[in-house]
Amino acid sequence: GAVVSQHPSWVICKSGTSVKIECRSLDFQATTMFWYRQFPKQSLMLMATSNEGSKATYEQGVEKDKFLINHASLTLSTLTVTSAHPEDSSFYICSARDMRGQETQYFGPGTRLLVL
Amino acid sequence: SQQGEEDPQALSIQEGENATMNCSYKTSINNLQWYRQNSGRGLVHLILIRSNEREKHSGRLRVTLDTSKKSSSLLITASRAADTASYFCATSGNQFYFGTGTSLTVIP
Repeated sequence: GAVVSQHPSWVICKSGTSVKIECRSLDFQATTMFWYRQFPKQSLMLMATSNEGSKATYEQGVEKDKFLINHASLTLSTLTVTSAHPEDSSFYICSARDMRGQETQYFGPGTRLLVL
Repeated sequence: SQQGEEDPQALSIQEGENATMNCSYKTSINNLQWYRQNSGRGLVHLILIRSNEREKHSGRLRVTLDTSKKSSSLLITASRAADTASYFCATSGNQFYFGTGTSLTVIP
């Protein structure tokens, strides 16, 4: 079945540093990937839609200069949290949609970010 | 916000009982999907129902969709302790939005 990986799975960093999270579709190509964040005991909130070869589309209220998204290839999207602060601590999850037009999104296992 | 809402927010049942979760949404959709999430883990896709479908089954899962009421329900029959998780509905139009989730606890 379709597999999406994320790296790293856990990251702890100091306030002010930047953190890059990778999302890879391992056995399919994805023209579109999505980034979500999830706070404890809450639902997933869509942050942005990442399109291969073009700029990401950000949801209202999400700072594009804070959360840099790069979808450089059909199997890789990266989310960089720039100048991270403690309030950025969260669970970040990506998903990918198969470019063959299938309707299901496949989710990565998530990356837990803790900013000290 | 286009996020859907689910009820109940939390549900606790005995093993063997059925569990029903409901999801309401706001916008028109292409399809609606249900996912489960174990604590601190990623999401697992359970079932997809298209906007022109009214009911779908998969094993112990039964999903209904009422587009006129903009609502869906997920029924898990003969629940097991391993079904303990959070369940989310997600609507797919141009974007993909998740409901608030139902936390299900199945007591052995």
